Formats: sequence, C-alpha cells, structure tokens
Amino acid sequence: EVQLVESGGGLVQPGRSLRLSCTTSGFTFDDYAMSWVRQAPGKGLEWVGFIRIKTYGETTDYAASVKGRFTISRDDYRNIAYLQMNSLKTEDTGVYYCIRGRQWPDYWGQGTLVTVSS
Amino acid sequence: DVVMTQSPLSLPVTLGQPASISCRSSQGLVYSDGNTYLNWFQQRPGRSPRRLLYQVSNRDSGVPDRFSGSGSGTDFTLKISRVEAEDVAIYYCMQGTHWPYTFGQGTKLEIK
Repeated sequence: EVQLVESGGGLVQPGRSLRLSCTTSGFTFDDYAMSWVRQAPGKGLEWVGFIRIKTYGETTDYAASVKGRFTISRDDYRNIAYLQMNSLKTEDTGVYYCIRGRQWPDYWGQGTLVTVSS
Repeated sequence: DVVMTQSPLSLPVTLGQPASISCRSSQGLVYSDGNTYLNWFQQRPGRSPRRLLYQVSNRDSGVPDRFSGSGSGTDFTLKISRVEAEDVAIYYCMQGTHWPYTFGQGTKLEIK
C-alpha cells in the first residue's frame, strides 16, 4: 500500500525556518518525482514545487511565490522527500501536502499544518 | 501562468441526479509528448485531495464509473451520472502541462 506521511509542521515566527519531511512506503521511491502542494486555510490548492528523479539530475522547479526561499530535496536511500522553508512569511500559512508524481500526481499525504505568526 | 477557470463554483444537486463541472484553461494543454495533462481531484471535507481522473478521461482504480471526464484543447468537463451522498466534496481540475502547474478554484458540490 502506497503511503506518504508528512511531518515537521507547526507554529513558527515570520522570518524563521522550518523543514518538512515526507516519509514514504509501498512503492519504489526513486522511480518517482515528488511534489509539494499547499492549501491556505479555507482556500484552494497551490503548487509549491517538485523534484525530479536521479535520472534527471534531481532537478527542481518552484512556484514564483517560494522561489529562493524554499528548497525541495530527496533521500532515495531513506525514501524521504523534504521541503526546507526559509524566510517564512505569514502568507505561507497552510496545510502542506506531499504528493507522488508531478504532471499527473496520484497519491497524497494527509498534510501537515504550518502556521506562520508572531 | 495558465489560469484554470471552473464553473459553477457552487453546485447543489438532488440525489440521483447528474452533475457537470466545466474547467477551461487559458492555454492549450497538449504537452510535447502528445499527452494532455488534465486531472480531476476530489477533496471531501477534512480530507486530503484524491485523484479521480488523469489525462482527461482515465479513471483511477476504485473510482466509481459514475464519474467520467471529457474534453480537449482548453475545454474540459467532469460528469457524475447520478450523484450520491458520498460525492459531497470540492472538485478541482489541475493542469500538469505548463509549469507552474495550476488548479482551478474548486467547485463545491452539495446535496439539494
């Protein structure tokens, strides 16, 4: 059974950093791009970015709203994807979902709530 | 960015009746490999989104066959042949052709 479990969310002050983890199981992790999507409270869905597989150099793409502040990485040995979030802003508040794939993403984690507030 | 416009945003439906959601993109969604990366997701209250359909019309495993997708170019549709109580949710279309990938605003389906 495919599982994605996010962790690392919480309350953080503006300007600080947070790292989210996405621990996966039930599939061959290094065969899949991994993505992050977020959802502000009561709002719709917004792509954050994704990381390609090793074959494609583990290259990344980011939404303009997070580029230069957020970094996605992966550990193919431990089957974990990461989202490093720096210089957090209040508008980064929301539930962050880890997703398998990118152009036709299929499995989603349960999400982890990040609240950026002083 | 490609703008995905869904309509209606609110959809009250009587149980057993059909429902239809439109999704229009501001650009064509055919990728360089010939595929059209238009997906539909269902988000039930308090839950993570779940993929229903991918590449316009391919239904995911476990998705009831009352859900169907169609369309091409910039105009796509999700249809539910007979709405059931468990279909109460917000439905999102999403394009995976042009980066940044984008979602529609969501359509909230409720029982009338």
